[in-house]
Parts: sequence; structure tokens; C-alpha cells
Amino acid sequence: EADIYQTPRYLVIGTGKKITLECSQTMGHDKMYWYQQDPGMELHLIHYSYGVNSTEKGDLSSESTVSRIRTEHFPLTLESARPSHTSQYLCASSARDGLSGANVLTFGAGSRLTVL
Amino acid sequence: QQQVKQSPQSLIVQKGGISIINCAYENTAFDYFPWYQQFPGKGPALLIAIRPDVSEKKEGRFTISFNKSAKQFSLHIMDSQPGDSATYFCAARSGNQGGKLIFGQGTELSVKP
Repeated sequence: EADIYQTPRYLVIGTGKKITLECSQTMGHDKMYWYQQDPGMELHLIHYSYGVNSTEKGDLSSESTVSRIRTEHFPLTLESARPSHTSQYLCASSARDGLSGANVLTFGAGSRLTVL
Repeated sequence: QQQVKQSPQSLIVQKGGISIINCAYENTAFDYFPWYQQFPGKGPALLIAIRPDVSEKKEGRFTISFNKSAKQFSLHIMDSQPGDSATYFCAARSGNQGGKLIFGQGTELSVKP
């Protein structure tokens, strides 16, 4: 049923480790996004991409980086994880809805990261 | 700076009752207002959406009411069911910000049998 896949679903690591969260979509969407969802449920945009070789920082400052070498793939990397990076990370992609003309986001199931 | 303010943070409703979640915004450039539903362990999924040129949109038991002059919109869930228990997010899109969605803080709805 899901056309956007995130791995790993859960990750517990120690401080200072490098981690990469994977996100892949099979819908051919040009636009992709990373949101951070804190325990208080709020969603904050941290990165987005409007196509291959295009990446932008979102509204919430993040020490993570992203890359977009292929349309279907949008990985997020933390070079040195810290406890403050503990959160849920949601990947999404979007396409323009034919009726409303609006971009409809499709989310993955999320990657829950815990840094000890 | 919270551009979309959502309330309440949590809501408990009896089965068959009406659930109402409210959102307010300031940016008059917002031109699209979706609601997303998120079940535990899942990503948010689009539930229903409205444009500011209409005051109400209904899909089954879910209705969005939109008040452009007050810059407020709300989600009404009629005949609430335990299966509706989830977290609901309102959002707004600004056409002059590349179409990015700004989300509210979320409302955790629990429908009691």
C-alpha cells in the first residue's frame, strides 16, 4: 500500500555515530521532503528537494544533510549524532492534484531515532 | 513563530459524538488548507482539504468549515467512532513559498466506546 519507504523504522545508536536514514518513493514524484516530528507531535520541515541535484533547508534548522542524486531516493545523513537529534523523521513526496492543483503529500511511516 | 495554531492539543469524545478541532492562521497568502490523519506507527495521510474560495467541504463524516475573514478553519467529525482515534494535523500552504506545507501542532483524538 505504501509507495514511499523509509528505513530503518527504528534506530538506537550512541553519541558521535554517523547515521543515514533512507527514503525511497516509487511514484516518480519530483518533490520530496523531510519533516521532524518531536514527541509533542508537531511536524517541522527540515529539508526539501524539487528535483535531482536540488536541495534546500527547511524552516527548522537541522544539523542533518540530504542529497538527491536520483528522483526516487532522498537520504538524510547525520555525521555525528547527539541526544538532541532524538526524534521521529518523516519523509514525504508530493505530486500536483489534478482537481485542486495543490501538492498532495504522501508520507512514509517514519524513522524513529534514539541517540543515547 | 507558529504560523498555524491548532487546538485543542488532545480531545476525548464518546462514540457517536461530534469531534471538533480548530486551526487559526495569520498569513493571508495561504491558499490551500489540508487536514492529515496519523495513526500510531504510521505517517500522516491526507484526510480532506479545502481552498479559501469555499466555506465548507464535506466528505462522508468529515467536514471542514472555513472562515476566511476570521482566518480560521475547523474539522468536524460527525458520529465519531473508535477507529477515528488518531492524531489530526491541520496545515496550510503558501503559494509564494514554493508550495510548502506549514503544519499545526496536532490534536490527539480519542473516541471512547
